[in-house]
Amino acid sequence: DIQMTQSPSSVSASVGDRVTITCRASQDISRYLAWYQQKPGKAPKVLIFSASSLQSGVPSRFSGSGSGTDFTLTISSLQPEDFATYYCQQGNSFPLTFGGGTKVEI
Amino acid sequence: QITLKESGPTLVKPTQTLTVTCSLSGFSLSVSGEGVGWIRQPPGKALEWLALIYWDGDERYNPSLKNRLTITKDTPKNQVVLTMTNMDPVDTATYFCARRLLAYNYFDPWGQGTLVIVSS
Repeated sequence: DIQMTQSPSSVSASVGDRVTITCRASQDISRYLAWYQQKPGKAPKVLIFSASSLQSGVPSRFSGSGSGTDFTLTISSLQPEDFATYYCQQGNSFPLTFGGGTKVEI
Repeated sequence: QITLKESGPTLVKPTQTLTVTCSLSGFSLSVSGEGVGWIRQPPGKALEWLALIYWDGDERYNPSLKNRLTITKDTPKNQVVLTMTNMDPVDTATYFCARRLLAYNYFDPWGQGTLVIVSS
């Protein structure tokens, strides 16, 4: 199985801050990586797919980069509605696997 | 508009079999390339992929749970059903279903989820 390791597990930030979350795969997954945002009591919502493609309707302050084993999700200017938990997920091979999550909090 | 909605029991006893249903709207598993997966999330913990079924009947399972899982589709009813045998308290989680197109490597959209508690 491909292990997905996210860091940090939590980050404290303020409105307007630039936030960067990393995700490392235990083996090469090319660009088959997605990022999700999950708010308490809600289902995850995809933000980024194929490592850097912005899902329709997602604000442009979200961006993704990386390939191979190292990936990054960046929020360029944190907004109040961005406080949530973020997950990466590899889609390169089965079993599909998620990272452990990064909680972005005040 | 594409939506998915999970339904099933809230409480299951240990050793029982869980059956959860995902009702699809706005798309059909009779269409080439369509797929539906199940993902669960224990309270306060991370997401775990369980199973996936495609329009052509191809089934994929998480090996860590494979012996306990069965995913099926009822195309006329536009539903996908997941059964999990021999339930244990560690299986307490919110169970989500989500659409996954063959051409893409992500799940979107997701259902609201259904909380399943395993307790005697």
